Amino acid sequence: KAGVTQTPRYLIKTRGQQVTLSCSPISGHRSVSWYQQTPGQGLQFLFEYFSETQRNKGNFPGRFSGRQFSNSRSEMNVSTLELGDSALYLCASSLNRQETQYFGPGTRLLVL
Amino acid sequence: AQSVTQPDIHITVSEGASLELRCNYSYGATPYLFWYVQSPGQGLQLLLKYFSGDTLVQGIKGFEAEFKRSQSSFNLRKPSVHWSDAAEYFCAVWGGATNKLIFGTGTLLAVQP
Repeated sequence: KAGVTQTPRYLIKTRGQQVTLSCSPISGHRSVSWYQQTPGQGLQFLFEYFSETQRNKGNFPGRFSGRQFSNSRSEMNVSTLELGDSALYLCASSLNRQETQYFGPGTRLLVL
Repeated sequence: AQSVTQPDIHITVSEGASLELRCNYSYGATPYLFWYVQSPGQGLQLLLKYFSGDTLVQGIKGFEAEFKRSQSSFNLRKPSVHWSDAAEYFCAVWGGATNKLIFGTGTLLAVQP
């Protein structure tokens, strides 16, 4: 069974632009969570989607948003990019909520 | 509030030596605990998990971890380290109703020949 896939793997943007990252969960998995990883803040929870609904959101500004489609694929969007948004964005999927999360390879975003 | 502490930021061991990475957690109820490993430029790979039952859990790549409720610890061990084990290791606790993983700051493992 294929693992979690994330596209693109690398992305360079400039301040003020917006970006959309995509995540395809493991087949059959219905819950998708997003995390941001930076050297300074470590791994921080962004949000969780289940059945096309956002179930939880971390402490991030409204510039960070996401959605989940009926096939469980998820996208996250960051608008008005700031330098501090440069990070590795990790997607994780689980069979259902409150189950083990399996991570994708991440999308590395660089904001110039 | 739930939290995870990994006291060692960086550890260097010789190839073939034993390894123990420390993890302490704060959680009000019975915790669900995880160890993940991250190689450079990669995502997180699940090494092992503890939900309940036997407090000594076996994982992939020869790793094991022991849950000690009295010490609020979930230390990761390996009897003989291989050069390919060099990576960053993260301990995490499941955040209950928030359904998020709360991670420690990670321990970077270097393996010297």
